[in-house]
Order: sequence, then structure tokens, then C-alpha cells
Amino acid sequence: AQTVTQSQPEMSVQEAETVTLSCTYDTSESDYYLFWYKQPPSRQMILVIRQEAYKQQNATENRFSVNFQKAAKSFSLKISDSQLGDAAMYFCATHQGAQKLVFGQGTRLTINP
Amino acid sequence: GAGVSQSPSNKVTEKGKDVELRCDPISGHTALYWYRQSLGQGLEFLIYFQGNSAPDKSGLPSDRFSAERTGGSVSTLTIQRTQQEDSAVYLCASSPRLSGLAKNIQYFGAGTRLSVL
Repeated sequence: AQTVTQSQPEMSVQEAETVTLSCTYDTSESDYYLFWYKQPPSRQMILVIRQEAYKQQNATENRFSVNFQKAAKSFSLKISDSQLGDAAMYFCATHQGAQKLVFGQGTRLTINP
Repeated sequence: GAGVSQSPSNKVTEKGKDVELRCDPISGHTALYWYRQSLGQGLEFLIYFQGNSAPDKSGLPSDRFSAERTGGSVSTLTIQRTQQEDSAVYLCASSPRLSGLAKNIQYFGAGTRLSVL
């Protein structure tokens, strides 16, 4: 079965600084995707970024980028120029089969003004 | 609709009562998922529907939990004889189609917070 581990329950960063959230995973899939979701206090899970495992190039979405190390099964999220609106719970996830997502325990990110 | 809609937003019930949680997926999405998020935890898969296929119920924690999806659209998650450990946020998600990993982006609703007293 797939497992996702986020070892940082909480992180904080100064506004405009850069922060990196860690994630490691284990999967039996030969081809797979990895995801970072953001959950603000509104509770709705919002997709931040996704990475296709067969692509060597790290995905980027504006201020968000990933460092995907396939051999190490590591998938970290870097947020540049942190903004107050980035404060939220961040969840790393992969999928089991083509259906269900398997999530890590989450990292609570605080942005200090 | 514009997004996944869930109702009620919050539900408080007494131990032993039955509850129904509703999910209205994005129009045209054929796949629908239910997850449970206990306090301070990640999401736990409960059940998955895809079109007219038999649902994947492998995540349901007990036979008190059931779900149905009528007409390939709206879904209802029912919890019978609620227990205090059922208190959690129940999140619904939908996705456009199953085939191909490229379609596996799931769009989530805001969830229902269930409190069992």
C-alpha cells in the first residue's frame, strides 16, 4: 500500500521569505503522480501543484515549485516570496490505483508579517 | 455548478442517531469520492463511485457507513447509529473521468463537520 509521510507538523516563515515543506512517500505504482494540496480554514482542499513521476523536470506553478527526487522518494514543496494568504495546512498526496488519494498528515504553515 | 457543493456545512447530532451528508459534484464529473478527516489528521479514503460501475467501498470503517449516488450525480453518505469517534470533517471530491492518470485531479468541496455528542 502507498504511504505518505510529512515529518513537519508545523512550519513558520516570514512574509516574503522562502519556505520548504518536506514529504516522503512509498508506492507500488510504476507510473504515478504526486500532489500538494492546500487546506485553508475554509476546509476546501485546493490543488497547489502536481508532478508526474516519469518527468525528470520539477513542476512549477508561479511561486510554488517542487523538488522531486524519485530515487529517494522525496517530494518537497518550495514556496517563494511567501504571502499571508499562503497560511494553511499543506498536504502531500499520491494515488493508489487510479482512484483514491493517499494523504500525509499535513504541515501547518504560518506566515509571520 | 461551479464547484463541489456539500451540505450541511456543520452537523451536530446525538450519539445513536442517523445522519445523512450530501455531495453535489461538479457537473459532468463522472467520478465521486468521499474522504474523512479526523481532527488534526490527513484525509482517509472512504468510498469511490465511477459512472455506473460498482462503487469501491474498501475504505468504509464499518457497516454503519453507507453511500449511494443517484443518477450518476448527487451522492449521500449515511452514518447509522453515530458514535463519538465518527466526529470528523467529511469531504467529497469529484473528477472528470477515470481513464488516464492525467485526469486524476480531484476537486474538493468544503466538507461537512460532523460533531457527535
